Amino acid sequence: DAGITQSPRHKVTETGTPVTLRCHQTENHRYMYWYRQDPGHGLRLIHYSYGVKDTDKGEVSDGYSVSRSKTEDFLLTLESATSSQTSVYFCAISESRRDGDTQYFGPGTRLTVL
Amino acid sequence: KQEVTQIPAALSVPEGENLVLNCSFTDSAIYNLQWFRQDPGKGLTSLLLIQSSQREQTSGRLNASLDKSSGRSTLYIAASQPGDSATYLCAVGKAAGNKLTFGGGTRVLVKP
Repeated sequence: DAGITQSPRHKVTETGTPVTLRCHQTENHRYMYWYRQDPGHGLRLIHYSYGVKDTDKGEVSDGYSVSRSKTEDFLLTLESATSSQTSVYFCAISESRRDGDTQYFGPGTRLTVL
Repeated sequence: KQEVTQIPAALSVPEGENLVLNCSFTDSAIYNLQWFRQDPGKGLTSLLLIQSSQREQTSGRLNASLDKSSGRSTLYIAASQPGDSATYLCAVGKAAGNKLTFGGGTRVLVKP
């Protein structure tokens, strides 16, 4: 939906290494989000962006940073990956229409930190 | 802090039965409420969006109601089919960015 792609789709890395996940959208939506999904915790917001270079923290932002230098790309970086960051990461956009603001999600990135 | 709860965590129904999925939230000052479907290993598919000023929304066999004062939303799926088997998530949106707070989901199995 809404032309959202995420890369990579799967990644295995080692503790202490930096990791960058990419979210790309094709429809110039202003708002973009990063969530993580974990058993027992559901989906939780990590960071979000409300425009180029405009970002803010979500509920679980510790250990993560984000950047948005172009409207279409929102990057999530784990500066030094830890095993607790093993998760499925979802990117989303918010599409504003007359009937409301609907969030659409990308396919997800499964990250394993060994 | 907004908390969203979905009970039960799982349910199983025979094909053809109507499904009733519940979602409750603690802070009634919401911007909107959105229902999603998630198949195993897949992303989230948006089903219905209810704005805070609305009482219900309908799409095909799906109907969602919203009662802000009691902090509840209900998703009804009429005449369930095996293809409706999935996890259903509700999420409450906060104004100023439409940041979503998710419930834990209800895993549904529709048996042929």
